[in-house]
Amino acid sequence: QVNLLQSGAALVKPGASVKLSCKASGYTFTDYYIHWVKQSHGKSLEWIGYINPNSGYTNYNEKFKSKATLTVDKSTNTAYMELSRLTSEDSATYYCTIGVMDAWGQGASVTVSS
Amino acid sequence: DIQMTQSPASLSASLEEIVTITCQASQDIGNWLAWYQQKPGKSPQLLIYGATSLADGVPSRFSGSRSGTQYSLKISRLQVEDPGIYYCLQGYSAPLTFGSGTKLEIK
Repeated sequence: QVNLLQSGAALVKPGASVKLSCKASGYTFTDYYIHWVKQSHGKSLEWIGYINPNSGYTNYNEKFKSKATLTVDKSTNTAYMELSRLTSEDSATYYCTIGVMDAWGQGASVTVSS
Repeated sequence: DIQMTQSPASLSASLEEIVTITCQASQDIGNWLAWYQQKPGKSPQLLIYGATSLADGVPSRFSGSRSGTQYSLKISRLQVEDPGIYYCLQGYSAPLTFGSGTKLEIK
């Protein structure tokens, strides 16, 4: 069965960067786009963007273009999202999800605090 | 960007009652509409895709429909395990956009 295992919670200082991971198993890694979604506490969901694991092509929500960088490592079936220049507005849970978003990671909490 | 206007924001219903949640798209999105359920502390779970297709393993009491640019999720007989927050998502064009969510509770 499809499994997306995300990295653990992160506590990071304002202005720093953080790199989240999403390790995929149970399917052919290059068959589905990988999306990343942000959920601020108690709020709705925001689409950050997706990456085509086969080609590395990315498509970002304009809102996150200068914030997020999506990459993959096909040798380890792992997708990454790096968030840069973190502020309190970036404190949220971040999910990876594939295809028509029928499989989701467990989420990774990012807290930005000094 | 395509706006998805979801209503109601919250809903309280009795067991076995019929529940309907709607999303209005700001422009034509065809059948590029999905519905998700999210329970506290959990990841969203796909219920409906392609506006009307039931995802694998989802009980048949859930159904989706479309009328023009208005999309509906119907729960035919509310069960004790159905409370949560429900979201719609348009996948027609980037940026993909979610509705604001409907919090469903048991009365």
